[in-house]
Amino acid sequence: DQQVKQNSPSLSVQEGRISILNCDYTNSMFDYFLWYKKYPAEGPTFLISISSIKDKNEDGRFTVFLNKSAKHLSLHIVPSQPGDSAVYFCAASGRGNEKLTFGTGTRLTIIP
Amino acid sequence: EPEVTQTPSHQVTQMGQEVILRCVPISNHLYFYWYRQILGQKVEFLVSFYNNEISEKSEIFDDQFSVERPDGSNFTLKIRSTKLEDSAMYFCASQVNTEAFFGQGTRLTVV
Repeated sequence: DQQVKQNSPSLSVQEGRISILNCDYTNSMFDYFLWYKKYPAEGPTFLISISSIKDKNEDGRFTVFLNKSAKHLSLHIVPSQPGDSAVYFCAASGRGNEKLTFGTGTRLTIIP
Repeated sequence: EPEVTQTPSHQVTQMGQEVILRCVPISNHLYFYWYRQILGQKVEFLVSFYNNEISEKSEIFDDQFSVERPDGSNFTLKIRSTKLEDSAMYFCASQVNTEAFFGQGTRLTVV
């Protein structure tokens, strides 16, 4: 069962432009949504999260948008930098300290 | 900055052998998890651990798997009799509030 879906396996963006990564979910019981970044042979690194009571959360170059009615969230990175090249995972949980359900990931490549 | 550390980074084992994967979570965290990622697939939840007992486990976490926190710091995942399909990256995570912090992973190769 794919409760969290990332339909784009890869994305290429020019350096300096905006990267937009998308994620859809099916379980309406999810309360928290998180984005993780992963380099090869490393563990996922937490980037940013959003609670279901919000529709936007911003941290520096990263902004996450949540559309609860559409069960859709997106991660915006602006401006994109070469160091942003990695696999990005969307994850969701029911409430604090519950397990995370991950999407399949999107490989982002920033073109210099 | 505190981090989750995992050892070993890579473990090769013969099918049917027991393996123990070790993790040192962040010291003030209370919730601990094991996840795995089979090559090319998504990160999957295995088990969560709180207050010295399992709080939730997935269907992957069968009788061949066990976890314990023997000394209040280390958090271990044991696979009693490994199968070829257990080959994966295994990630330990510790959590406070809603953010889980992951270790760098152990690559388990069963041959």
